[in-house]
Amino acid sequence: QQQVKQSPQSLIVQKGGISIINCAYENTAFDYFPWYQQFPGKGPALLIAIRPDVSEKKEGRFTISFNKSAKQFSLHIMDSQPGDSATYFCAASEGTDKLIFGTGTRLQVFP
Amino acid sequence: ETGVTQSPTHLIKTRGQQVTLRCSSQSGHNTVSWYQQALGQGPQFIFQYYREEENGRGNFPPRFSGLQFPNYSSELNVNALELDDSALYLCASSSEPNYGYTFGSGTRLTVV
Repeated sequence: QQQVKQSPQSLIVQKGGISIINCAYENTAFDYFPWYQQFPGKGPALLIAIRPDVSEKKEGRFTISFNKSAKQFSLHIMDSQPGDSATYFCAASEGTDKLIFGTGTRLQVFP
Repeated sequence: ETGVTQSPTHLIKTRGQQVTLRCSSQSGHNTVSWYQQALGQGPQFIFQYYREEENGRGNFPPRFSGLQFPNYSSELNVNALELDDSALYLCASSSEPNYGYTFGSGTRLTVV
């Protein structure tokens, strides 16, 4: 119930393409869904986050799509760039409870 | 002061030893959480401190303990180190619990 399942484990995209990473959860009490980007040797950095009262949030090239009935949310990276190559983690939390992270997606964007 | 600073960046310890990891949070961030990230995995919640008191704990044994100080710094202590404790330890701070966390770059602990 506390798990957040993330897919795919790895993703290879050509420069300019769209990268899509999916996450699913079971706990309907989750009310905060952030995405983090992590480069090798660095800690995760908050990219974008959404709350369940909206179905989509866009910030620059990054969009979160949220489907409350399906208990799924996804990250879309438009016009993917080599600099976007990193590991991406979805996460979820309930109120002030801990953040639960997915297992990560390693994205490689080739020129 | 901006950002979250962790020290040391790398550490090698022997099984059975004790270790203290340190974190300096952003000014005004009264919430700090510690996470363990094994290689190729997502971060796992260890515990959270809010205004110097433990405010939640993950599925980690009591040999993992922490402290938070009034100057926005905190510590993670691990006693009786085991080989499986080898991981990246991340500190994250925010102005309120579990919202808008800023992570440090972590301490890479290797237990041999």
